[in-house]
Amino acid sequence: DAGVTQSPTHLIKTRGQQVTLRCSPKSGHDTVSWYQQALGQGPQFIFQYYEEEERQRGNFPDRFSGHQFPNYSSELNVNALWLGDSALYLCASSQLRGATGELFFGEGSRLTVL
Amino acid sequence: DAKTTQPNSMESNEEEPVHLPCNHSTISGTDYIHWYRQLPSQGPEYVIHGLTSNVNNRMASLAIAEDRKSSTLILHRATLRDAAVYYCILKRRGGADGLTFGKGTHLIIQP
Repeated sequence: DAGVTQSPTHLIKTRGQQVTLRCSPKSGHDTVSWYQQALGQGPQFIFQYYEEEERQRGNFPDRFSGHQFPNYSSELNVNALWLGDSALYLCASSQLRGATGELFFGEGSRLTVL
Repeated sequence: DAKTTQPNSMESNEEEPVHLPCNHSTISGTDYIHWYRQLPSQGPEYVIHGLTSNVNNRMASLAIAEDRKSSTLILHRATLRDAAVYYCILKRRGGADGLTFGKGTHLIIQP
């Protein structure tokens, strides 16, 4: 049973560019959340998708947007990249009605903005 | 969101028990206490959670104070593979909220 998979694992962009990161949730999961983790910090919640809609959002600007597809996979898009967007982007999946609310995380996509 | 306070780092010896403390004095009655850990170069991993009673699973034990204002994650016999950052997080019961991670406790295991 594959866990949460993310792609790409590493990428480098320049300021002003746009990036798309992808996530496939664990089998049987219907909810995908995205987190940003700067070096030396804990992950920060960006937003959560369920039934192809954004259900909850953290304190991130509109430059951060997402999408969830009918197969529950998800994309995170970031426009107008700036240096401060350099971070590890983590995807987590869960079952919305799951008993424990346990999140399963992928290994992340490391974004470097030059 | 209710906040948690953890020591920045702790050190322990291999094959000894480790007690990782967490303070959450503003916890509400509907908050579960969750613990995650993050090994180097990996995403966070669920460890354990509880509400009021102490909990055990194959990875660890969770001891919750009677007033629920603090809790302790217990690794009964630490190995080098337990070296990680451990996060104590409050999660609203029944909520589909995003998790609020702090900086966690960096656990160092000495051989």
